[in-house]
Amino acid sequence: GIQVEQSPPDLILQEGANSTLRCNFSDSVNNLQWFHQNPWGQLINLFYIPSGTKQNGRLSATTVATERYSLLYISSSQTTDSGVYFCVPEEGGSYIPTFGRGTSLIVHP
Amino acid sequence: SQTIHQWPATLVQPVGSPLSLECTVEGTSNPNLYWYRQAAGRGLQLLFYSVGIGQISSEVPQNLSASRPQDRQFILSSKKLLLSDSGFYLCAWSTQESYTFGSGTRLTVV
Repeated sequence: GIQVEQSPPDLILQEGANSTLRCNFSDSVNNLQWFHQNPWGQLINLFYIPSGTKQNGRLSATTVATERYSLLYISSSQTTDSGVYFCVPEEGGSYIPTFGRGTSLIVHP
Repeated sequence: SQTIHQWPATLVQPVGSPLSLECTVEGTSNPNLYWYRQAAGRGLQLLFYSVGIGQISSEVPQNLSASRPQDRQFILSSKKLLLSDSGFYLCAWSTQESYTFGSGTRLTVV
């Protein structure tokens, strides 16, 4: 199956800082999503982005499918951004999304 | 609107006892349904997925089973729980462009 590598594994920021999270995947995908898991365990879909760039408020994401990576940008971080961010590609022809190990983000006030 | 319900939120069960976790989806038909487990250390492990009633695929051999008796109902079961079954269990459903998780069940086997 597809291999997913996320970096950095852990990130600590001061409120207001910007950051970039990276996801590398090993095979072609027909779907890729970014999720945020808050400290209470709830997983929220941030982006569906098999290719191209999307923006939603302070967050944006870019996937370059031909080079097998995706980036999640967080600008002007807030304490509510804390949690774990998962990159979840879905291998071509499969119904099975594969979770990376995530990036754990802590934003200090 | 489309919603997913998962219960209970927390559960403490003795070793050797049975388990039944239920997940139901509203506002959609024929969804793909999934059960995940998240152990301490944050990775999510896919346990089962289903593309239709009665169709269950198992990703990991283990002490658990799943059933889909109705289109929008997905059940995770065990006949005898092990200590290693402790974890955070999440149900999810998907369409072509979205993936929605339930709020999860935190299971502690004692």
